[in-house]
Amino acid sequence: GAGVSQSPRYKVAKRGQDVALRCDPISGHVSLFWYQQALGQGPEFLTYFQNEAQLDKSGLPSDRFFAERPEGSVSTLKIQRTQQEDSAVYLCASSFRGNYEQYFGPGTRLTVT
Amino acid sequence: GDSVTQMEGPVTLSEEAFLTINCTYTATGYPSLFWYVQYPGEGLQLLLKATKADDKGSNKGFEATYRKETTSFHLEKGSVQVSDSAVYFCALSGIRKLIFGQGTELSVKP
Repeated sequence: GAGVSQSPRYKVAKRGQDVALRCDPISGHVSLFWYQQALGQGPEFLTYFQNEAQLDKSGLPSDRFFAERPEGSVSTLKIQRTQQEDSAVYLCASSFRGNYEQYFGPGTRLTVT
Repeated sequence: GDSVTQMEGPVTLSEEAFLTINCTYTATGYPSLFWYVQYPGEGLQLLLKATKADDKGSNKGFEATYRKETTSFHLEKGSVQVSDSAVYFCALSGIRKLIFGQGTELSVKP
């Protein structure tokens, strides 16, 4: 079956622009996670959904970051008024349930110029 | 809070050499421990895991043992191949999230 897919794979944004990053989880996976991976670092947790409910958004770095999963499937991570420090790879992962193995997508590399 | 510390890279080895990548953790409770691998241009893939103390995870010739007494989960492989060149991440299961180390880049030369 298909794995986790993310689009776009690469995004270049001018500082101040808004961006939207999409994640398609594995079909039937209840849990969905977003992580941010800065260059040369490990992924850092941003937010977690169980179905359509956002149960944890403690990792979102500022109120410019917003995530949604309105129908409990596809998720979108939106960054408003992008800043240079937002440049990173954004990883999406899904799992059957919260404590099961997480499967990662290929990531979206965001470069803010 | 919970955290993971890995040995710094890059690690450069010749083919067929023995590999050890050190990983130690700090956690409350009894987390599961993982090693993920990231090949160039690809997403993270689970390499192996261990869910309780003294468990040994293994896959593709890689092994790691969950050592509660030393809070460690070191990754080992007896004979590396060029195709093992990648970045390796140690991680633990926090509440509703994974907590990762900073990654160790491995380069294997023929």
